[in-house]
Amino acid sequence: DAGVIQSPRHEVTEMGQEVTLRCKPISGHDYLFWYRQTMMRGLELLIYFNNNVPIDDSGMPEDRFSAKMPNASFSTLKIQPSEPRDSAVYFCASSLETVYEQYFGPGTRLTVT
Amino acid sequence: AQKVTQAQTEISVVEKEDVTLDCVYETRDTTYYLFWYKQPPSGELVFLIRRNSFDEQNEISGRYSWNFQKSTSSFNFTITASQVVDSAVYFCALSEAGGQNFVFGPGTRLSVLP
Repeated sequence: DAGVIQSPRHEVTEMGQEVTLRCKPISGHDYLFWYRQTMMRGLELLIYFNNNVPIDDSGMPEDRFSAKMPNASFSTLKIQPSEPRDSAVYFCASSLETVYEQYFGPGTRLTVT
Repeated sequence: AQKVTQAQTEISVVEKEDVTLDCVYETRDTTYYLFWYKQPPSGELVFLIRRNSFDEQNEISGRYSWNFQKSTSSFNFTITASQVVDSAVYFCALSEAGGQNFVFGPGTRLSVLP
């Protein structure tokens, strides 16, 4: 398997622009997770899905963030409008269940100027 | 609520030294799972090990070993004869079987100096 795939790997945008991050989980994994990592706040869980359904979005910072999983092989994390404080590395991960290990994608480094 | 504490924020050792990374967890579940992940400077997060709460046997994999002690709620990770390539941030994580709850610790940054 190719592992978890994320795109783009790097994104530089201006404040106020819409940003869409994409993720393809490992085939057969029922759980998909979105994380954000910064030096100040470490690794934060934003939201996770089970069988394409959002289970816990309590980590989503505010209404500017939204995530969807239209099918088992694709998820998006959207920020609209983006702000400089959204600059971070965003990871997508997938697993068979929450009690199993998560496999992480390479991350998307987002810079908002 | 579950919680994972990694009290060591940063550790520096000289190559070939042994080093232990501490992980202390809190949970009310009797069935749970513990994990370690490695994040090297390149940035990707790599799964290292998974243990369930019913298996307290220590695990050894090459230079890596893990010591799970339910009595102290700890799941410590030891690297023997450390190498520069071991330099990374290491995360401990906990997942409870009773519900869909899981949490990562804050991580320990290990620097192995040549």
